[in-house]
Amino acid sequence: DIVMTQTPLSLSVTPGQPASISCKSSQSLLHSDGKTYLYWYLQKPGQPPQLLIYEVSNRFSGVPDRFSGSGSGTDFTLKISRVEAEDVGVYYCMQSIQLPFTFGPGTKVDIK
Amino acid sequence: EVQLVESGGGLVQPGRSLRLSCTASGFTFGDYAMSWVRQAPGKGLEWVGFIRSKAYGGTTEYAASVKGRFTISRDDSKSIAYLQMNSLKTEDTAVYYCTRDWGSWGQGTLVTVSS
Repeated sequence: DIVMTQTPLSLSVTPGQPASISCKSSQSLLHSDGKTYLYWYLQKPGQPPQLLIYEVSNRFSGVPDRFSGSGSGTDFTLKISRVEAEDVGVYYCMQSIQLPFTFGPGTKVDIK
Repeated sequence: EVQLVESGGGLVQPGRSLRLSCTASGFTFGDYAMSWVRQAPGKGLEWVGFIRSKAYGGTTEYAASVKGRFTISRDDSKSIAYLQMNSLKTEDTAVYYCTRDWGSWGQGTLVTVSS
C-alpha cells in the first residue's frame, strides 16, 4: 500500500498569515497517463470532507484562490496564502493512483 | 446541483448486518463510479471501496479491512449505491460517506457496532 505522510500534524496560524502543509507518498503518484493523482481535502468540524485541490494543483470549483497546490512525484505541498478564520479544520492529502486508495493522517489547523 | 444522501446507519450488534444507501440526484448517476469512505470517531479518513460505472463493467474494489464482509452494489434506475455490511465488528464503527469523483460527498451516516 502507498503510505501518505503529512507534516506538520498540527498548525496554529495567525489570520492573514500564510500556511503550508507537506504531504509525501511512499511511491510516485505519477500515472502513465501523465496525471498525478494527489488530492487535498479540508474537513471542517462536523462536516464531510470538501475537495480543495485535485491532481496536485487544480483548484476544485468554488475553492478560493488563496489555496494552491504544488509538487510532483512523491512530494507535495498545500499552501494557503492568507489564512482566514473559516480555514480551520483538518487537512488531508489522498492518493488514487493505486488500490487501496489512501489518505494522509491529517493536519489540524487552528487560529491563534 | 449534485446531491448525495446516505441513509441506513444505526446501532447494530457485532456479527450482524446492515445495508447503507447513497441516494444521488443532480447528475446522471449511471455515468459515474461511486466510492465509500469511512471515519471512525475522532480518527482520519479510510477508503472502504468503490463500484465502477456499467460502462467500465460495474466491478468493485475493496479495502483489505472489509473485503469478504462488505459488498457495494448499485441500482442505476433508482440512482442509489448500496453498501452491504455483513459480519460487523466493533472496529467498523464509523461515519460512512459516499462520494462521486472525490468532489461531491454526502453528509454521512453513523454506524455503531456494539453489544
